[in-house]
Amino acid sequence: GNSVTQMEGPVTLSEEAFLTINCTYTATGYPSLFWYVQYPGEGLQLLLKATKADDKGSNKGFEATYRKETTSFHLEKGSVQVSDSAVYFCALRVTNAGKSTFGDGTTLTVKP
Amino acid sequence: DAGVTQSPTHLIKTRGQQVTLRCSPKSGHDTVSWYQQALGQGPQFIFQYYEEEERQRGNFPDRFSGHQFPNYSSELNVNALLLGDSALYLCASSAQLANYGYTFGSGTRLTVV
Repeated sequence: GNSVTQMEGPVTLSEEAFLTINCTYTATGYPSLFWYVQYPGEGLQLLLKATKADDKGSNKGFEATYRKETTSFHLEKGSVQVSDSAVYFCALRVTNAGKSTFGDGTTLTVKP
Repeated sequence: DAGVTQSPTHLIKTRGQQVTLRCSPKSGHDTVSWYQQALGQGPQFIFQYYEEEERQRGNFPDRFSGHQFPNYSSELNVNALLLGDSALYLCASSAQLANYGYTFGSGTRLTVV
């Protein structure tokens, strides 16, 4: 079956530090990959996506590259801000509009 | 443009009771998926509705049922509530023919006592 594994948290960084959150996946077929962010008390928001190998998704300074050879989709940001503190979820979807499989989330705390 | 709207935001029920949660999808979206998110975990897929039919179902018992209306809004029903059903229930909408991510609602926090 399909599965997503994220690096365990929590992750605590100082403002302006470099961020990497690891995500690897197992899937049948050729999945689309997503990163979602969840702020306290809210639902998930789509952060970025990539639909095929070697695609790079980017948004709000965050980036992730779809690596088929290593089945990975690591999230990176060059300089984090306090406002980036949230829970980040990696997810995959095999078919258009089909169900998504989520990782367990990684909690990021950025301190001033 | 309103996003996904869920109601109620919070709910407390007693074991054995039944509950109905409601969702209005984002304008232009025709597909509604429901997820259960336990504390500290990622969302788990319950089922998906498109054209008023259940199209996919996750590993949830028959106590979980749903419905989609002609205006694309949806309901999630849970019968015979258990303490373990306490969770955040998320509704996510999407367009069937488009390959982009979900738009999520803020969820309904269900507590079973």
